[in-house]
Amino acid sequence: KAGVTQTPRYLIKTRGQQVTLSCSPISGHRSVSWYQQTPGQGLQFLFEYFSETQRNKGNFPGRFSGRQFSNSRSEMNVSTLELGDSALYLCASRRLAGEQETQYFGPGTRLLVL
Amino acid sequence: KNEVEQSPQNLTAQEGEFITINCSYSVGISALHWLQQHPGGGIVSLFMLSSGKKKHGRLIATINIQEKHSSLHITASHPRDSAVYICAVYKAAGNKLTFGGGTRVLVKP
Repeated sequence: KAGVTQTPRYLIKTRGQQVTLSCSPISGHRSVSWYQQTPGQGLQFLFEYFSETQRNKGNFPGRFSGRQFSNSRSEMNVSTLELGDSALYLCASRRLAGEQETQYFGPGTRLLVL
Repeated sequence: KNEVEQSPQNLTAQEGEFITINCSYSVGISALHWLQQHPGGGIVSLFMLSSGKKKHGRLIATINIQEKHSSLHITASHPRDSAVYICAVYKAAGNKLTFGGGTRVLVKP
């Protein structure tokens, strides 16, 4: 089975722009979660989608949004980029949404905001 | 205070040594995960625990629910074990992972 894939892997944007990141989960997985990792804050939960519905949301401003398609692929969007949005964005998938299920992480998208 | 605390933040060991990483949490949880992150960013899930102890190869993870504490042990450490190890918990209320700050492990040959 192919693993979780994320595109693009690297991205450079300037302040004020918007960005869309994509995540393709493992085949058969219906849950996709997104995380932000920065040197200062570590790993933080952004949101989770299951069967095209947002199940949970972390403490991030409304500039951060996401969606999930019927094939379980997910996108996250960040509008009006700020310097502090520079981070590694990771997505993870699991078959259902049980707390005791293993999450499979993608390689991440490294975003640099100038 | 962070809800999930790890210690130590950094650890250097000689190849073959026994390594212990600790994770303490202050909230009720339904599950605890140990993750490994190699340079470059890729994260691998090592264990999921809700009670007791689990072993996989040279890795052992334990959890004490009453004391709100978990440990990850690496026996006979090897340079390829060099990575950041991250503890993450699902709080009892809510279905989202909360992460510790990570422990950076360096195993020297």
